[in-house]
Amino acid sequence: NAGVMQNPRHLVRRRGQEARLRCSPMKGHSHVYWYRQLPEEGLKFMVYLQKENIIDESGMPKERFSAEFPKEGPSILRIQQVVRGDSAAYFCASSPSGTLSTDTQYFGPGTRLTVL
Amino acid sequence: AQSVTQPDIHITVSEGASLELRCNYSYGATPYLFWYVQSPGQGLQLLLKYFSGDTLVQGIKGFEAEFKRSQSSFNLRKPSVHWSDAAEYFCAVVNTGGFKTIFGAGTRLFVKA
Repeated sequence: NAGVMQNPRHLVRRRGQEARLRCSPMKGHSHVYWYRQLPEEGLKFMVYLQKENIIDESGMPKERFSAEFPKEGPSILRIQQVVRGDSAAYFCASSPSGTLSTDTQYFGPGTRLTVL
Repeated sequence: AQSVTQPDIHITVSEGASLELRCNYSYGATPYLFWYVQSPGQGLQLLLKYFSGDTLVQGIKGFEAEFKRSQSSFNLRKPSVHWSDAAEYFCAVVNTGGFKTIFGAGTRLFVKA
């Protein structure tokens, strides 16, 4: 049973370009979470999605960031017009339900975004 | 608002020595608490979790943690550290709705021979 897959593992973009980060949850998991980890910091919650629905995006910057989790295919975190401050590691996690008090979320290896 | 504090940015211990990593939380209700480990360049792996019941919880890799409500703490311990334990450790709490995880800033563990 494959774990959570993220690609690409490393992504380099120039300022103003778009970054697309993909996350394939574990088989049977329909709940996906995105986190951002800035250098020397812990993970910060960005968004929680169920299939085709955004449940909570309170951690997402209001502009340039968007996320989706379509009925078919991976979840996508999209960053438009990237700036240097977007350089970070972006982690995806998945769980079978959205109740993390009883379920475990499994993390992917992350995508390390570098903005030049 | 919920928050998690890990007072130690980094800790160095000798191989074979005991380890305690500190974690304090701020939470209005009964917290759901976690410890994760992150090896360099990797994602996070769950070490253990506390929801209710016995305040001393056992995890993987020989780790344990004790929940102390009176001190708002959930410290991670290991009796004898191995060189392979060198990594970053994150304490976390889940919010009331049960889906948003709030992480501490992490403690980086160095193990010396």
